[in-house]
Amino acid sequence: DQQVKQNSPSLSVQEGRISILNCDYTNSMFDYFLWYKKYPAEGPTFLISISSIKDKNEDGRFTVFLNKSAKHLSLHIVPSQPGDSAVYFCAASGYTGGFKTIFGAGTRLFVKA
Amino acid sequence: NAGVTQTPKFRILKIGQSMTLQCTQDMNHNYMYWYRQDPGMGLKLIYYSVGAGITDKGEVPNGYNVSRSTTEDFPLRLELAAPSQTSVYFCASSHSSGSVGEQFFGPGTRLTVL
Repeated sequence: DQQVKQNSPSLSVQEGRISILNCDYTNSMFDYFLWYKKYPAEGPTFLISISSIKDKNEDGRFTVFLNKSAKHLSLHIVPSQPGDSAVYFCAASGYTGGFKTIFGAGTRLFVKA
Repeated sequence: NAGVTQTPKFRILKIGQSMTLQCTQDMNHNYMYWYRQDPGMGLKLIYYSVGAGITDKGEVPNGYNVSRSTTEDFPLRLELAAPSQTSVYFCASSHSSGSVGEQFFGPGTRLTVL
């Protein structure tokens, strides 16, 4: 039962272009969504988040969009840089019969110079 | 601040052996978590704690035990190691509950059970 799905295992983008990473969720009780970035041999680091009462949150080159009716969120990175090459995890949290944060399987982003 | 530290970084166990994965945070966070990440999968919550003396099961608690005697430390115990426990283990902490708080992760422990 995958409550948070990242259907693209990998994505390749040219430097300077936009990267769009997608995430779908199934549980309408989730009320907070986060994106984490992970480099090899390191732990994930928090990137950006959005509350369910908003539909957009922006932080520099990173913007997260939330479409609650479609249960879909996306992370836009513009312009993409080679240092953005990493695995990106989408996560959703809220009270779902117990406190949990559910992570997607991740999308590996390659930014080509 | 060192943040979240984990030891060891790597470990190979034989089937049936036991070990403790150590986790310490210096941010005075109340919430702490243990996750495992299998290849090609997301992070699965093993156990979590909302404060010293309080722990609860996550999605995949079988084969593991935890304790939380101090705010800083949250060790994870494997009693009888099995090959299915081969994974990368991450400890994390947060100031508040997951609904509003980002989690800070340690660098991970790569465990192989042979």
